[in-house]
Amino acid sequence: GAVVSQHPSWVICKSGTSVKIECRSLDFQATTMFWYRQFPKQSLMLMATSNEGSKATYEQGVEKDKFLINHASLTLSTLTVTSAHPEDSSFYICSARDGGDRLTRAYNEQFFGPGTRLTVL
Amino acid sequence: GDSVTQMEGPVTLSEEAFLTINCTYTATGYPSLFWYVQYPGEGLQLLLKATKADDKGSNKGFEATYRKETTSFHLEKGSVQVSDSAVYFCALSDLPGGSYIPTFGRGTSLIVHP
Repeated sequence: GAVVSQHPSWVICKSGTSVKIECRSLDFQATTMFWYRQFPKQSLMLMATSNEGSKATYEQGVEKDKFLINHASLTLSTLTVTSAHPEDSSFYICSARDGGDRLTRAYNEQFFGPGTRLTVL
Repeated sequence: GDSVTQMEGPVTLSEEAFLTINCTYTATGYPSLFWYVQYPGEGLQLLLKATKADDKGSNKGFEATYRKETTSFHLEKGSVQVSDSAVYFCALSDLPGGSYIPTFGRGTSLIVHP
Protein backbone atom coordinates (compact mmCIF):
# COMPACT_ATOMS: atom_id res chain seq x y z
CA GLY A 1 0.00 0.00 0.00
CA ALA A 2 0.88 3.65 -0.24
CA VAL A 3 3.24 4.83 2.49
CA VAL A 4 3.96 8.36 3.59
CA SER A 5 6.79 9.12 5.98
CA GLN A 6 7.56 12.19 8.04
CA HIS A 7 10.81 13.31 9.55
CA PRO A 8 11.46 14.02 12.31
CA SER A 9 8.81 12.26 14.35
CA TRP A 10 9.35 14.74 17.16
CA VAL A 11 11.43 17.85 17.67
CA ILE A 12 12.09 20.22 20.56
CA CYS A 13 13.50 23.64 19.76
CA LYS A 14 14.15 27.00 21.34
CA SER A 15 11.92 29.96 20.67
CA GLY A 16 13.08 31.95 17.66
CA THR A 17 14.63 29.07 15.76
CA SER A 18 13.31 27.53 12.54
CA VAL A 19 12.29 23.92 12.16
CA LYS A 20 11.92 21.93 8.93
CA ILE A 21 9.60 18.95 8.67
CA GLU A 22 9.84 16.59 5.71
CA CYS A 23 7.01 14.60 4.19
CA ARG A 24 7.83 11.86 1.70
CA SER A 25 5.70 9.53 -0.38
CA LEU A 26 7.71 6.31 -0.46
CA ASP A 27 6.09 4.21 -3.18
CA PHE A 28 4.02 6.58 -5.27
CA GLN A 29 4.18 9.99 -6.86
CA ALA A 30 2.29 12.63 -4.97
CA THR A 31 1.35 15.57 -7.14
CA THR A 32 -0.51 17.04 -4.20
CA MET A 33 0.37 16.99 -0.53
CA PHE A 34 -1.51 18.48 2.38
CA TRP A 35 -0.26 19.87 5.66
CA TYR A 36 -2.42 19.73 8.75
CA ARG A 37 -2.09 20.93 12.27
CA GLN A 38 -3.74 19.16 15.15
CA PHE A 39 -4.24 20.57 18.62
CA PRO A 40 -4.78 18.23 21.59
CA LYS A 41 -8.12 16.44 21.42
CA GLN A 42 -9.15 18.35 18.33
CA SER A 43 -9.60 17.64 14.69
CA LEU A 44 -7.13 18.27 11.94
CA MET A 45 -6.90 21.80 10.65
CA LEU A 46 -5.86 22.02 7.03
CA MET A 47 -3.04 24.54 6.78
CA ALA A 48 -2.13 24.37 3.12
CA THR A 49 -2.24 22.39 -0.06
CA SER A 50 1.12 21.78 -1.67
CA ASN A 51 1.36 21.16 -5.40
CA GLU A 52 4.57 19.93 -6.97
CA GLY A 53 6.36 22.64 -8.86
CA SER A 54 4.09 25.48 -7.85
CA LYS A 55 3.33 27.67 -4.86
CA ALA A 56 1.33 26.25 -2.01
CA THR A 57 -2.26 27.28 -1.42
CA TYR A 58 -2.75 28.40 2.17
CA GLU A 59 -5.99 28.27 4.10
CA GLN A 60 -7.43 31.43 5.51
CA GLY A 61 -5.68 32.54 8.67
CA VAL A 62 -2.46 30.60 8.06
CA GLU A 63 0.59 32.85 7.77
CA LYS A 64 2.49 32.13 4.56
CA ASP A 65 5.70 33.69 5.84
CA LYS A 66 5.49 31.76 9.07
CA PHE A 67 4.86 28.33 7.56
CA LEU A 68 6.97 27.94 4.45
CA ILE A 69 6.05 25.05 2.20
CA ASN A 70 8.18 23.68 -0.59
CA HIS A 71 7.12 20.82 -2.87
CA ALA A 72 10.21 20.44 -5.00
CA SER A 73 9.65 16.90 -6.23
CA LEU A 74 6.85 14.38 -6.70
CA THR A 75 7.88 12.58 -3.52
CA LEU A 76 8.90 15.33 -1.13
CA SER A 77 7.24 18.30 0.50
CA THR A 78 8.72 20.29 3.36
CA LEU A 79 7.15 22.53 5.96
CA THR A 80 9.41 25.04 7.66
CA VAL A 81 8.16 26.75 10.79
CA THR A 82 10.11 29.99 10.87
CA SER A 83 10.99 31.83 14.07
CA ALA A 84 9.04 29.30 16.09
CA HIS A 85 7.27 30.34 19.28
CA PRO A 86 5.62 28.26 22.02
CA GLU A 87 2.19 28.78 20.46
CA ASP A 88 3.46 26.93 17.37
CA SER A 89 3.83 23.79 19.45
CA SER A 90 1.53 21.23 17.92
CA PHE A 91 1.23 17.95 16.07
CA TYR A 92 1.84 18.45 12.36
CA ILE A 93 0.57 15.85 9.94
CA CYS A 94 1.09 15.63 6.22
CA SER A 95 -0.84 13.60 3.70
CA ALA A 96 -0.41 12.85 0.04
CA ARG A 97 -2.74 12.09 -2.81
CA ASP A 98 -1.72 9.44 -5.31
CA GLY A 99 -1.77 10.96 -8.78
CA GLY A 100 -0.47 7.88 -10.56
CA ASP A 101 -1.96 4.85 -12.32
CA ARG A 102 -4.46 4.12 -9.59
CA LEU A 103 -6.15 7.41 -10.31
CA THR A 104 -9.67 6.16 -10.61
CA ARG A 105 -9.57 4.07 -7.48
CA ALA A 106 -7.47 6.25 -5.28
CA TYR A 107 -8.27 9.70 -6.57
CA ASN A 108 -10.17 10.76 -3.52
CA GLU A 109 -8.01 9.03 -0.94
CA GLN A 110 -5.31 10.61 1.11
CA PHE A 111 -2.42 8.73 2.68
CA PHE A 112 -1.22 10.15 5.95
CA GLY A 113 2.18 10.44 7.48
CA PRO A 114 2.70 9.46 11.13
CA GLY A 115 2.92 13.07 12.26
CA THR A 116 5.59 15.28 13.82
CA ARG A 117 5.31 16.52 17.38
CA LEU A 118 6.81 20.02 17.63
CA THR A 119 7.53 21.50 21.05
CA VAL A 120 8.88 25.04 21.21
CA LEU A 121 10.41 26.03 24.52
CA GLY B 1 -19.64 24.61 1.88
CA ASP B 2 -18.90 21.02 2.71
CA SER B 3 -19.03 19.94 6.34
CA VAL B 4 -18.92 16.82 8.49
CA THR B 5 -20.60 16.47 11.86
CA GLN B 6 -19.70 13.72 14.30
CA MET B 7 -21.14 12.82 17.63
CA GLU B 8 -19.17 14.25 20.50
CA GLY B 9 -17.12 11.96 22.63
CA PRO B 10 -15.67 10.42 24.47
CA VAL B 11 -17.56 7.22 23.89
CA THR B 12 -16.82 4.79 26.71
CA LEU B 13 -17.68 1.12 26.29
CA SER B 14 -16.91 -2.21 27.85
CA GLU B 15 -15.13 -4.84 25.81
CA GLU B 16 -17.44 -6.76 23.45
CA ALA B 17 -20.06 -3.99 23.47
CA PHE B 18 -21.69 -2.73 20.28
CA LEU B 19 -20.31 0.51 18.86
CA THR B 20 -22.01 3.22 16.85
CA ILE B 21 -20.40 6.55 16.04
CA ASN B 22 -22.72 8.85 14.14
CA CYS B 23 -21.56 10.95 11.21
CA THR B 24 -23.59 13.20 8.95
CA TYR B 25 -22.37 15.37 6.14
CA THR B 26 -23.23 18.30 3.92
CA ALA B 27 -21.81 18.44 0.43
CA THR B 28 -22.63 20.15 -2.82
CA GLY B 29 -21.53 17.31 -5.06
CA TYR B 30 -21.29 13.54 -4.76
CA PRO B 31 -18.55 13.00 -2.23
CA SER B 32 -16.57 9.97 -1.24
CA LEU B 33 -16.82 9.22 2.47
CA PHE B 34 -14.14 7.93 4.79
CA TRP B 35 -13.49 6.86 8.33
CA TYR B 36 -9.99 7.34 9.65
CA VAL B 37 -8.57 6.10 12.95
CA GLN B 38 -5.84 7.76 14.97
CA TYR B 39 -4.10 5.84 17.72
CA PRO B 40 -2.39 7.83 20.49
CA GLY B 41 0.65 9.72 19.22
CA GLU B 42 0.25 8.53 15.65
CA GLY B 43 -1.02 9.88 12.37
CA LEU B 44 -4.29 8.93 10.72
CA GLN B 45 -4.92 5.58 9.12
CA LEU B 46 -7.70 4.93 6.66
CA LEU B 47 -10.16 2.52 8.26
CA LEU B 48 -12.76 2.23 5.50
CA LYS B 49 -14.36 4.18 2.70
CA ALA B 50 -17.36 4.32 0.38
CA THR B 51 -17.45 6.15 -2.92
CA LYS B 52 -21.13 6.11 -3.87
CA ALA B 53 -24.59 5.84 -2.38
CA ASP B 54 -25.50 2.52 -0.71
CA ASP B 55 -21.86 1.38 -0.73
CA LYS B 56 -20.76 -0.33 2.46
CA GLY B 57 -17.20 0.07 3.59
CA SER B 58 -15.81 -2.51 5.97
CA ASN B 59 -12.51 -3.35 7.62
CA LYS B 60 -11.37 -5.04 10.83
CA GLY B 61 -14.97 -5.65 11.89
CA PHE B 62 -15.98 -2.03 11.39
CA GLU B 63 -18.69 -1.12 8.89
CA ALA B 64 -20.29 2.03 7.54
CA THR B 65 -22.92 2.45 4.85
CA TYR B 66 -23.17 5.51 2.60
CA ARG B 67 -26.74 6.75 3.05
CA LYS B 68 -27.47 9.52 0.59
CA GLU B 69 -31.08 9.94 1.69
CA THR B 70 -30.04 10.72 5.25
CA THR B 71 -26.60 12.12 4.33
CA SER B 72 -25.03 9.81 6.89
CA PHE B 73 -22.09 7.45 7.22
CA HIS B 74 -22.35 5.96 10.70
CA LEU B 75 -19.55 3.74 11.93
CA GLU B 76 -20.48 0.45 13.61
CA LYS B 77 -18.76 -2.53 15.14
CA GLY B 78 -20.49 -5.47 16.71
CA SER B 79 -17.95 -6.24 19.43
CA VAL B 80 -15.25 -3.74 20.37
CA GLN B 81 -11.88 -4.61 21.85
CA VAL B 82 -9.58 -2.65 24.12
CA SER B 83 -7.24 -2.25 21.14
CA ASP B 84 -9.95 -0.28 19.32
CA SER B 85 -9.45 2.62 21.74
CA ALA B 86 -8.54 5.56 19.52
CA VAL B 87 -9.94 8.69 17.94
CA TYR B 88 -12.14 8.16 14.89
CA PHE B 89 -12.55 10.79 12.20
CA CYS B 90 -15.28 10.89 9.61
CA ALA B 91 -14.26 12.67 6.42
CA LEU B 92 -15.43 13.47 2.95
CA SER B 93 -13.83 14.45 -0.27
CA ASP B 94 -15.63 16.28 -2.98
CA LEU B 95 -14.48 17.19 -6.44
CA PRO B 96 -15.84 20.62 -7.21
CA GLY B 97 -14.32 21.66 -10.48
CA GLY B 98 -12.04 18.67 -10.45
CA SER B 99 -10.08 19.64 -7.36
CA TYR B 100 -9.77 17.66 -4.18
CA ILE B 101 -10.64 19.43 -0.93
CA PRO B 102 -10.61 17.27 2.19
CA THR B 103 -13.06 17.94 5.01
CA PHE B 104 -12.82 16.24 8.41
CA GLY B 105 -15.15 15.96 11.33
CA ARG B 106 -13.93 16.91 14.80
CA GLY B 107 -13.18 13.33 15.75
CA THR B 108 -14.75 11.03 18.33
CA SER B 109 -12.66 9.49 21.05
CA LEU B 110 -13.45 5.85 21.84
CA ILE B 111 -12.37 4.34 25.14
CA VAL B 112 -12.87 0.61 25.61
CA HIS B 113 -12.49 -0.86 29.09
CA PRO B 114 -11.61 -4.51 29.74
